Amino acid sequence: AQSVTQLGSHVSVSEGALVLLRCNYSSSVPPYLFWYVQYPNQGLQLLLKYTTGATLVKGINGFEAEFKKSETSFHLTKPSAHMSDAAEYFCAVSDGPYDKIIFGKGTRLHILP
Amino acid sequence: GAGVSQSPSNKVTEKGKDVELRCDPISGHTALYWYRQSLGQGLEFLIYFQGNSAPDKSGLPSDRFSAERTGGSVSTLTIQRTQQEDSAVYLCASSLGGEQYFGPGTRLTVT
Repeated sequence: AQSVTQLGSHVSVSEGALVLLRCNYSSSVPPYLFWYVQYPNQGLQLLLKYTTGATLVKGINGFEAEFKKSETSFHLTKPSAHMSDAAEYFCAVSDGPYDKIIFGKGTRLHILP
Repeated sequence: GAGVSQSPSNKVTEKGKDVELRCDPISGHTALYWYRQSLGQGLEFLIYFQGNSAPDKSGLPSDRFSAERTGGSVSTLTIQRTQQEDSAVYLCASSLGGEQYFGPGTRLTVT
């Protein structure tokens, strides 16, 4: 069965510092992996996705993530945090293009001035 | 173009009443999904439609929950005899395969 574990329900970083949000997954088949962002009182927006091919995936707003099969990880990074990055971030896994998405519990990112 | 829309945006109902939640997917998207988001359970999959068929209903929590999709477009999620634990944000998403595009959700409060 698929599952996603996000380490840290809350993460705080200073403005301008590196953002690192950790995600580990389990899947019985080659996974499709996603990061979604949810701003306060808004819907889910896709940041980036990995399906096949290049393991370093670039997304919107300067975020990127690297698929590491050996570590079953898909950590999200951004070199320099902005105040506008404050939101909740969800890592997710799917078995294929039409399969349901299994979400992690989410990590709330706080940006300190 | 227009995104996924859901109605109503908010619904307050009394325990025991039935509710219907509506989802209008992006035009042409063949796949439609329902999820719910609650404080205790996070984001949970409920049901998946491909066209008008539902090949995966594994997430429906009880037989009080049902959904249908007509004309390969609009979908309705029905909750019968609502309970307080049904309070959550119900999210709909649509897809052509690959990325799922989410609607803004319906916040259901059962009093």
